[in-house]
Amino acid sequence: QQQVKQSPQSLIVQKGGISIINCAYENTAFDYFPWYQQFPGKGPALLIAIRPDVSEKKEGRFTISFNKSAKQFSLHIMDSQPGDSATYFCAASISSSGSRLTFGEGTQLTVNP
Amino acid sequence: DTGVSQDPRHKITKRGQNVTFRCDPISEHNRLYWYRQTLGQGPEFLTYFQNEAQLEKSRLLSDRFSAERPKGSFSTLEIQRTEQGDSAMYLCASSPTGDPTDTQYFGPGTRLTVL
Repeated sequence: QQQVKQSPQSLIVQKGGISIINCAYENTAFDYFPWYQQFPGKGPALLIAIRPDVSEKKEGRFTISFNKSAKQFSLHIMDSQPGDSATYFCAASISSSGSRLTFGEGTQLTVNP
Repeated sequence: DTGVSQDPRHKITKRGQNVTFRCDPISEHNRLYWYRQTLGQGPEFLTYFQNEAQLEKSRLLSDRFSAERPKGSFSTLEIQRTEQGDSAMYLCASSPTGDPTDTQYFGPGTRLTVL
């Protein structure tokens, strides 16, 4: 079953633009929501994460917005750079159940120079 | 390099053969996870260990799959009688127990191709 749905599947933005990726989840027991970045041939690397007790978290050019009532969260990449071109995955887990991650389908981001 | 390491990085095998992958987690990380990622999809959870105990197995992990972590350090994932549908990237991740950030650190993966 797909418990985390991610959109869009692919995204093309110009250098300096804002990239926005959205995710929706079903299981209200999820209490940890990370975003991972993956380059071809590499394993996923944690980018930023949030817990549902806050509505927004910002780290550098990356911001997570979280809407608990709508069961949605999104990643915003400000001032997008060609080096940001990668596949991005949202995920969710339950801390009290071993923290296994349930991933979204992924978004392939291309930032044109 | 103190990150998660996986060996081999690539494996090509013929259908019906057995394969074994190894994962070395970050030192002193108690939790170790295995995921499988097919092309164009997000990783899917297979199983996880806390120290040497295998605490959860996904329904994706058929009887042909077995994982071990004998001394609570490295782990192996074995696939018996491989099928073409087993072709995927097998990812290992580790995390320290009690880490309030719940961060899982992933290795580079082992790409399996079954001919």
